[in-house]
Amino acid sequence: NAGVTQTPKFQVLKTGQSMTLQCAQDMNHEYMSWYRQDPGMGLRLIHYSVGAGITDQGEVPNGYNVSRSTTEDFPLRLLSAAPSQTSVYFCASRPLQGSYNEQFFGPGTRLTVL
Amino acid sequence: AQSVTQPDIHITVSEGASLELRCNYSYGATPYLFWYVQSPGQGLQLLLKYFSGDTLVQGIKGFEAEFKRSQSSFNLRKPSVHWSDAAEYFCAVVPSSNTGKLIFGQGTTLQVKP
Repeated sequence: NAGVTQTPKFQVLKTGQSMTLQCAQDMNHEYMSWYRQDPGMGLRLIHYSVGAGITDQGEVPNGYNVSRSTTEDFPLRLLSAAPSQTSVYFCASRPLQGSYNEQFFGPGTRLTVL
Repeated sequence: AQSVTQPDIHITVSEGASLELRCNYSYGATPYLFWYVQSPGQGLQLLLKYFSGDTLVQGIKGFEAEFKRSQSSFNLRKPSVHWSDAAEYFCAVVPSSNTGKLIFGQGTTLQVKP
């Protein structure tokens, strides 16, 4: 099992550009989520999904879109990047049943918006 | 407001000394509680979790945590710190089993002096 994979590892964008951060998992987990990590603020939930075709907003959803067409993939889209979106982004997954189950995290994508 | 608080942003301990990292939460019902560790440039790894039963839980790498309902706390401890424990530590909670959203504290950076 590869676990949770994220691409790219690093990305530099100019303000206004768009891009998609990819996330995939091979554990057949229904629950997937996206976080951003900023110094002194911990990890904040952007969007999450409880299964294919179902997504919902987290704490900081503005400026981000998600979709979930398959169980394995949960891409995060930035439609018009802003410097405030400079951050490290983590994708995570877990089985849907049992909120006490561990979430498995990907290695992260470090995004810089100039 | 509902939140997870890690009062110590940065802690420095000597190698071999004991360690306690504090975590407090402010949710009405007892949430599910987690501690994650993040080594520099890496993703997050689960150290331990609590959702019911014995209030003293054992984790990996020699860590333990104690849930104290009266204090709304879930402090992480280690009797003897090793240089490899230098990392950032995050307390996290799932406040409600209905949504299963994982909410993080701000994080505590641990530095270990030789």
